[in-house]
Amino acid sequence: AQSVTQPDIHITVSEGASLELRCNYSYGATPYLFWYVQSPGQGLQLLLKYFSGDTLVQGIKGFEAEFKRSQSSFNLRKPSVHWSDAAEYFCAVGARPDYKLSFGAGTTVTVRA
Amino acid sequence: NAGVTQTPKFRVLKTGQSMTLLCAQDMNHEYMYWYRQDPGMGLRLIHYSVGEGTTAKGEVPDGYNVSRLKKQNFLLGLESAAPSQTSVYFCASRYPGQGEAFFGQGTRLTVV
Repeated sequence: AQSVTQPDIHITVSEGASLELRCNYSYGATPYLFWYVQSPGQGLQLLLKYFSGDTLVQGIKGFEAEFKRSQSSFNLRKPSVHWSDAAEYFCAVGARPDYKLSFGAGTTVTVRA
Repeated sequence: NAGVTQTPKFRVLKTGQSMTLLCAQDMNHEYMYWYRQDPGMGLRLIHYSVGEGTTAKGEVPDGYNVSRLKKQNFLLGLESAAPSQTSVYFCASRYPGQGEAFFGQGTRLTVV
């Protein structure tokens, strides 16, 4: 069975600074990988996804993530954080054949002025 | 286009009461999922369905039942609610293969 670890529970970053959120997964084959964002009281919105091909994927809101098979990682990055990026971020892995998504525990991002 | 709609959005139950959460999607997705979200634990899969008339257990199925009588609807039932089932419940749907999952807005359930 697949699993996901997000080592950082909470990150505080200054507005305009760069952000990196870590995600490590466990799965026997090439996984499908996702990053979702959840604003308070809201559902989950997809930021980006990786299925195959180029290991650097671009998403919405200026986010990108890099798949590193050798490290079993799929870290999320943003060069310059905006106050509106304050939210909880979830990494998820999907696996064949039924493509259940397994989620990490989430990382809460606080943006300070 | 409504996407994934969950009903109700909030509910308070007394221990031992029963209720059904409804998830409806209008995207003709084959797969549907029910998750619960608890602080510090991310989203955990309760049950899922890969097509009309099929259901399967996820990570935390105990105390819940599901039905998928119509492709667009996925119902989650609590037969005898317990305080441990206080949580936020999310429904999601997707196409098979590489499709991403689309989530509803969640149902906040409190069992007292």
